[in-house]
Amino acid sequence: ETGVTQSPTHLIKTRGQQVTLRCSSQSGHNTVSWYQQALGQGPQFIFQYYREEENGRGNFPPRFSGLQFPNYSSELNVNALELDDSALYLCASSLEGRSYEQYFGPGTRLTVT
Amino acid sequence: AQRVTQPEKLLSVFKGAPVELKCNYSYSGSPELFWYVQYSRQRLQLLLRHISRESIKGFTADLNKGETSFHLKKPFAQEEDSAMYYCALTSLGGQNFVFGPGTRLSVLP
Repeated sequence: ETGVTQSPTHLIKTRGQQVTLRCSSQSGHNTVSWYQQALGQGPQFIFQYYREEENGRGNFPPRFSGLQFPNYSSELNVNALELDDSALYLCASSLEGRSYEQYFGPGTRLTVT
Repeated sequence: AQRVTQPEKLLSVFKGAPVELKCNYSYSGSPELFWYVQYSRQRLQLLLRHISRESIKGFTADLNKGETSFHLKKPFAQEEDSAMYYCALTSLGGQNFVFGPGTRLSVLP
């Protein structure tokens, strides 16, 4: 059984650019949630994907978008990056209906300059 | 609006002392409350949920709907309890988790 993995570990982007972050879910998990964690804050829910469709969304603008693939892996895309997008991005996988038992990845640290 | 507050950024206690990490929430409806923990160099993980009413690693938490609180308690702290603790809520069966800012617990020898 493999845990949740995320790539890349770190990256630096310039304001206005676009970025794609990747997440592989834990074996057998069909639901993926994405969170943004700013320094000194708790994780903030961005959205969740189940069966390749968005299954809930937090208070984030449309320039934050995602995809889920048939193997349940997922991508988070952020367009027109802003300085405030600098944060740790976490993904978490779970079984349908058991989001509370979500298994978190190590995160991707995004710095926008 | 849904909100979770944890008034203490840092809580330091001595080994063997009781510990209480405070969590208050605002939510219209019936929320599910959780505590998540992140040990040093480890990933964020679920510690306990109010519905299960379990004691995990000696920790318990009681949901007080009147005071809208979900404080985490342990009668005798251990050094291995040192970690970052996050209180979180969602709607029953929901997926939109709202996390508090976290409290760092430091258990001193």
